Amino acid sequence: DQQVKQNSPSLSVQEGRISILNCDYTNSMFDYFLWYKKYPAEGPTFLISISSIKDKNEDGRFTVFLNKSAKHLSLHIVPSQPGDSAVYFCAASAYGGATNKLIFGTGTLLAVQP
Amino acid sequence: DAGITQSPRHKVTETGTPVTLRCHQTENHRYMYWYRQDPGHGLRLIHYSYGVKDTDKGEVSDGYSVSRSKTEDFLLTLESATSSQTSVYFCAITAGAGDTQYFGPGTRLTVL
Repeated sequence: DQQVKQNSPSLSVQEGRISILNCDYTNSMFDYFLWYKKYPAEGPTFLISISSIKDKNEDGRFTVFLNKSAKHLSLHIVPSQPGDSAVYFCAASAYGGATNKLIFGTGTLLAVQP
Repeated sequence: DAGITQSPRHKVTETGTPVTLRCHQTENHRYMYWYRQDPGHGLRLIHYSYGVKDTDKGEVSDGYSVSRSKTEDFLLTLESATSSQTSVYFCAITAGAGDTQYFGPGTRLTVL
């Protein structure tokens, strides 16, 4: 049973437009959410996170939105750039603390077309 | 850069042989993790460590063991490799606020 789901395996967007990546979760005890970006043959790179006490967090071109009632989070990239082309993973954890395990989604491959 | 290195970066081995992967960190982080990444599964936690000689199982620990005899090194051992353990293995550490984990470059393991 997958607790964190990314239902879109891939997404194609034109350069300069908005990319919206979605993630759903089932465990209501999750209280911390993260997005990672991964290029081929490299490790995942941390992008942005959000605590369940917030509904939005921004960092430059990246904004994460959290809808707790719908158990849904999304990552917005504006404007999208060709260098954003990568696999994006959302992850979630419960209770906080470093020993808590991150549960990852299956990833969405974003292709930004020049 | 979280100062994490993994070795080897690539390995091909045969079914039934033992394999050890090494994760090395230079910044004295207490928490370390091993994940595997497979198509259709994202990243799944194998084992993690919360200090020297303190380890615990993750979601997919069967067939794997770990050891941490010093802060900077976290070893993942496949006692008898199987083809189902062909995967890309990532090490991670926790740093900064919350549960933010930072990953190493990965080891691609192929078991024939």
